[in-house]
Order: sequence, then C-alpha cells, then structure tokens
Amino acid sequence: DTGVSQDPRHKITKRGQNVTFRCDPISEHNRLYWYRQTLGQGPEFLTYFQNEAQLEKSRLLSDRFSAERPKGSFSTLEIQRTEQGDSAMYLCASSLASSDPRLTFRANTEAFFGQGTRLTVV
Amino acid sequence: AQSVSQHNHHVILSEAASLELGCNYSYGGTVNLFWYVQYPGQHLQLLLKYFSGDPLVKGIKGFEAEFIKSKFSFNLRKPSVQWSDTAEYFCAVVGTGRRALTFGSGTRLQVQP
Repeated sequence: DTGVSQDPRHKITKRGQNVTFRCDPISEHNRLYWYRQTLGQGPEFLTYFQNEAQLEKSRLLSDRFSAERPKGSFSTLEIQRTEQGDSAMYLCASSLASSDPRLTFRANTEAFFGQGTRLTVV
Repeated sequence: AQSVSQHNHHVILSEAASLELGCNYSYGGTVNLFWYVQYPGQHLQLLLKYFSGDPLVKGIKGFEAEFIKSKFSFNLRKPSVQWSDTAEYFCAVVGTGRRALTFGSGTRLQVQP
C-alpha cells in the first residue's frame, strides 16, 4: 500500500498519560497535515508541515500537543497529560506542493488521508 | 477565515433516488472546493474537486458538483444512488493564501435497498 499510513490504529490510555502517534505520508509528498475528528464532526485542522518545517498551528493545538517531522518524511504527534476531551480520531494527510513560485496554490492542495488513529482516554 | 456549512446532517434515500447534498462556504477570495467521502471503516477519499474553469465538475462513481460563486455553494449531486453509496460525505474548502482544508460537519447518507 503506497498511501498514507498511521500507527497505531487504536490507542486506549489512562488520563494523564502521554501518547505518541506516527504518520508516514506518501513518499514524494512534501506537505503533511494533522487533523482531529470527533463524532458527528468534520476533521478539524491541527497543524501542517512543509518538509521539516512546521508552518502553521491551529488554536486547537494546546501546549500539551507537539508535532514533529524531523527529516521531512514521517511525522509524530505527541499528546502529553492526556485528558478525556482528547478522545478523538487523529487523521494525517499529505500532499505534494511545488516549490516553483510560478505555480498557483491550485496545484498544491489535494490532500490524501490516512485511516487515522482512534484515541480513547479513560 | 474560511468556513463550510453542510445543511443536511443525515439523509436517507432508497436506491435509484436522486441525491443532492448542500454545501455553502464562507471566504472572501478565490477558493478551491472539494468533496470527500468516508465509507464505513475506511479513510477519507476524494470524490471530486473544483479549482477553476467549468463550474460543473464530475467526480468518481457518477458524482458531480456545481460551483455557484454568487451563492457561495458547491452542492453534490448524483442522479441515481446505490446502496454502496452509503457513507459520510464532507465538503471542504481552501482559500487563497491558506494551506489547510476546512471541512464541513459532514452528511451521513444512508441508502436503503
């Protein structure tokens, strides 16, 4: 499978514990996004990377959340001191953005999603 | 800020019925628009996208959507649904200068055989 892969698929943790999720994007994609989805809602943007640089973070991303993409390939999302409100599906997506400034944003925004990591905080 | 509103939260149709799901967006500039589908137990998949040009776009599995700029709408249509279309459908927008998609809250479609 050459799509976006996420690990683990499911995680159950006790409140107060730290958890880390991993995302492997499509290999040639230079943009990587993290979203969170709760029941009955659409995905909500958390953060995104272009290569290894984290270029935007949502206000949803509290201080307990940190994301990295150290070599511009896979990414990790860590949640410290988990709370019950963190229970959600965490989605990763990737896309290919050209570094050519002559190309418009229109060529750069089709995102491919992984199957997500379902986090349950008990 | 960009936002998306999907008016139908849950739609139940019989097979062969026609489908139209509403999507309205809010953004003050040029936008790209998308419909994604999430089948039970599967990841989000792109159904279709609008970047520019013909406002009527055709996607996979017989779906189409029409961009009406004056109404800030991008409604999804299919003339005849099948049981296999049972899924959740999300409209999404990204505006000029933004990088991440903003999604609507989704419409759950249930097609009864």
